[in-house]
Amino acid sequence: SQQGEEDPQALSIQEGENATMNCSYKTSINNLQWYRQNSGRGLVHLILIRSNEREKHSGRLRVTLDTSKKSSSLLITASRAADTASYFCATDVTGAGSYQLTFGKGTKLSVIP
Amino acid sequence: GAGVSQSPSNKVTEKGKDVELRCDPISGHTALYWYRQSLGQGLEFLIYFQGNSAPDKSGLPSDRFSAERTGGSVSTLTIQRTQQEDSAVYLCASSLTVIYGYTFGSGTRLTVV
Repeated sequence: SQQGEEDPQALSIQEGENATMNCSYKTSINNLQWYRQNSGRGLVHLILIRSNEREKHSGRLRVTLDTSKKSSSLLITASRAADTASYFCATDVTGAGSYQLTFGKGTKLSVIP
Repeated sequence: GAGVSQSPSNKVTEKGKDVELRCDPISGHTALYWYRQSLGQGLEFLIYFQGNSAPDKSGLPSDRFSAERTGGSVSTLTIQRTQQEDSAVYLCASSLTVIYGYTFGSGTRLTVV
């Protein structure tokens, strides 16, 4: 079963607006990461938040983590057309005995100029 | 190298043929991962290497799939007797250690006809 689930599956906004994507997961994690994918090819690492952190910023990105609710959110402020992409959350599961990230199915973001 | 390099970028093969996909990770990255992404889907974990050894092969879908890594560097994913359901984008990623974000290659789009 999927460890991480992004919500919504698709999001369409006007340029300049903020975009918020959510991720829920099932089991305890070491860290949670967000990635961006353009045109169905390689993913680009955006930000990593550790299980003992609650909020992290990087440029126009803001990530929050609520381990009690097993959820995270990614906020992109002042969106641009170039932000159009699919966004994935990925979790590093605690004690799984395997050091691999588990990815959700992604949120497809469209920013309309 | 400066990034993770995958070759070929596209591969069309006939059903029943064997294919080899290559991944050149970032120099010095000890961890290497293979994932598969079907159209519009999330990433499916295939195998993880730490150095030349593969502690976790749990994601390989069948015994037609195998992978190796030599010299702690280049990795090859081999699919024998390809089937149409093997059609997907195969993504390779590397990281400095297991606790850091991944750097992905651009992937190999495999089409089995």
